[in-house]
Amino acid sequence: GAVVSQHPSRVICKSGTSVKIECRSLDFQATTMFWYRQFPKQSLMLMATSNEGSKATYEQGVEKDKFLINHASLTLSTLTVTSAHPEDSSFYICSAWDSHSTDTQYFGPGTRLTVL
Amino acid sequence: GENVEQHPSTLSVQEGDSAVIKCTYSDSASNYFPWYKQELGKGPQLIIDIRSNVGEKKDQRIAVTLNKTAKHFSLHITETQPEDSAVYFCAAPPLYGNKLVFGAGTILRVKS
Repeated sequence: GAVVSQHPSRVICKSGTSVKIECRSLDFQATTMFWYRQFPKQSLMLMATSNEGSKATYEQGVEKDKFLINHASLTLSTLTVTSAHPEDSSFYICSAWDSHSTDTQYFGPGTRLTVL
Repeated sequence: GENVEQHPSTLSVQEGDSAVIKCTYSDSASNYFPWYKQELGKGPQLIIDIRSNVGEKKDQRIAVTLNKTAKHFSLHITETQPEDSAVYFCAAPPLYGNKLVFGAGTILRVKS
């Protein structure tokens, strides 16, 4: 199947700092990528839809100024958690939609963020 | 909007037995139904999907069935093995857009 990578896999940061997470589709182009947040023992919570070349679409209740999304190319989307606080600690997962070939959504391996 | 319900929330089976997980969806226009497997600390992995033009799809020990009339689809795992232990999520798209709506997940434990 198609491969989606995320970097970093784990990050620990101090409260007040910003953290950037990268999501790449390695063997297909993705005009649409998604960012999810997952709490322990819970399902995936969609945060925003990342559209190549345009602004991201945020789900209700997700602060767009807190979670900055940039989708500058067909293979890369970034999520920046600004002024991180301990409550932002979570497992962040991206996915990419292969709309040209398989019409299927593939997930990255996730990034564990811990804010001290 | 689309609503996806998944049952059971936990499922324990003996190694070699079959496991069945069921999902219902609300939007009758949905036409794509993927299943994902998530192991601890990892991202979800697509294991099988089905589109509305077929009623069943099989890939080795895994199969998915779809009943569009009743608006439900099921994941079937035969001859379960310990490595099948994971959380399984079903999903369905809404009528408009390509966002997937996920079920709550099923924790599958295969006891050896």
